[in-house]
Amino acid sequence: DTAVSQTPKYLVTQMGNDKSIKCEQNLGHDTMYWYKQDSKKFLKIMFSYNNKELIINETVPNRFSPKSPDKAHLNLHINSLELGDSAVYFCASSGLAGAPTDTQYFGPGTRLTVL
Amino acid sequence: GESVGLHLPTLSVQEGDNSIINCAYSNSASDYFIWYKQESGKGPQFIIDIRSNMDKRQGQRVTVLLNKTVKHLSLQIAATQPGDSAVYFCAEKMRGNEKLTFGTGTRLTIIP
Repeated sequence: DTAVSQTPKYLVTQMGNDKSIKCEQNLGHDTMYWYKQDSKKFLKIMFSYNNKELIINETVPNRFSPKSPDKAHLNLHINSLELGDSAVYFCASSGLAGAPTDTQYFGPGTRLTVL
Repeated sequence: GESVGLHLPTLSVQEGDNSIINCAYSNSASDYFIWYKQESGKGPQFIIDIRSNMDKRQGQRVTVLLNKTVKHLSLQIAATQPGDSAVYFCAEKMRGNEKLTFGTGTRLTIIP
């Protein structure tokens, strides 16, 4: 009954590979996000989708492509992985249809290690 | 507050004492502020929030204070417990903008 879930929790891969991280929320929220947390614990937003539409797209390499098949899911696909992509990636969601709130609720994170 | 690549500030507090974690935010147009707690290996967890039309808000053992004049936010934790050990982040947001900007975080360690 986890509110925001991500898979996998750990992902270890070689440079140049393509990988995906999946996120699902069962809170009925309209908006979902992807954040990257670096080794200094700094959290920075990457993307945001509202009802399957992209609303925030920060300066992120185009090797990163989010995909939202429906408003409960937001997946992150990364092409041609690089060493600098190693980080913890967090999914989050916010907002209820008809009664929007600002609070964002985070998933448990996916630790990506690129070798 | 935006991160400028500094090391994570740390705060050590004796169990049972009160702790205060401070945050300087960057955007005077921000109207919503949140404190998150992140335990090791977990995602940030919502603690308390405050809107810009308030100066103070209290929760269970936590109080958030907002000083818009100097763009300062603080989180007070009363009677700290070992489970309070974590990294605490402040975050700010502007009305109508979904983007949440996080501060650098403060690592709080409760000494038994």
